[in-house]
Amino acid sequence: QVQLVESGGGVVQPGGSLRLSCAASGFTFSHYGMHWVRQAPGKGLEWMAFIRYDGSNEYYTDSVKGRFTISRDNSRNTLYLQMDSLRAEDTAIYYCAKDWPNWAIDYWGQGTLVTVSS
Amino acid sequence: QSALTQPRSVSGSPGQSVTISCTTISSDVGGYNYVSWYQQHPGKAPKLMIYDVSKRPSGVPDRFSGSKSGNTASLTISGLQAEDEADYHCCSYAGSYTLVFGGGTKLTVL
Repeated sequence: QVQLVESGGGVVQPGGSLRLSCAASGFTFSHYGMHWVRQAPGKGLEWMAFIRYDGSNEYYTDSVKGRFTISRDNSRNTLYLQMDSLRAEDTAIYYCAKDWPNWAIDYWGQGTLVTVSS
Repeated sequence: QSALTQPRSVSGSPGQSVTISCTTISSDVGGYNYVSWYQQHPGKAPKLMIYDVSKRPSGVPDRFSGSKSGNTASLTISGLQAEDEADYHCCSYAGSYTLVFGGGTKLTVL
């Protein structure tokens, strides 16, 4: 069965950096695009970034362009999110998610909490 | 990216039907038929319920249906059950390999 397991969340000061990882199993990771989606406490979902199946292109929401970098290692079946220049408003649960054809998301990880606070 | 507007809350009694709307003012987003809906119970990850506006993944009950007219997509849940109480999020392709979500709607089963 498909499993996505995020790790790397925690508490970080404003301006700091954090790297999230997502270990994928149960499907051919290198065949699918992957997303990061976040959810601030008590708020709705917010799409963050997408990376194509082969890592050839990355796409971001405007609020994180230049601060966050999505990447993947298909040899390790792992997705990453490097987050720099973190702000209080980046506090959220971050979900790793598998792309379903035609721009839906068919599997989600359990999420990892990132708290940006001094 | 454009935002999608959903009602903050809807409610219905068991056995009734409810419809959740998802509206965009962006003609770009409204021009795509890549609308999906997700159910999220408290403390859990979202679950895909509808994709491509009206298609159901395997295992999703046919009580859940989706539609779209112009710039408004809708999720209808018929024969409401207690376990349907959850947050529902709409999502649309917004062009240039990006997605946009609505603010989420809390469904209360009375």
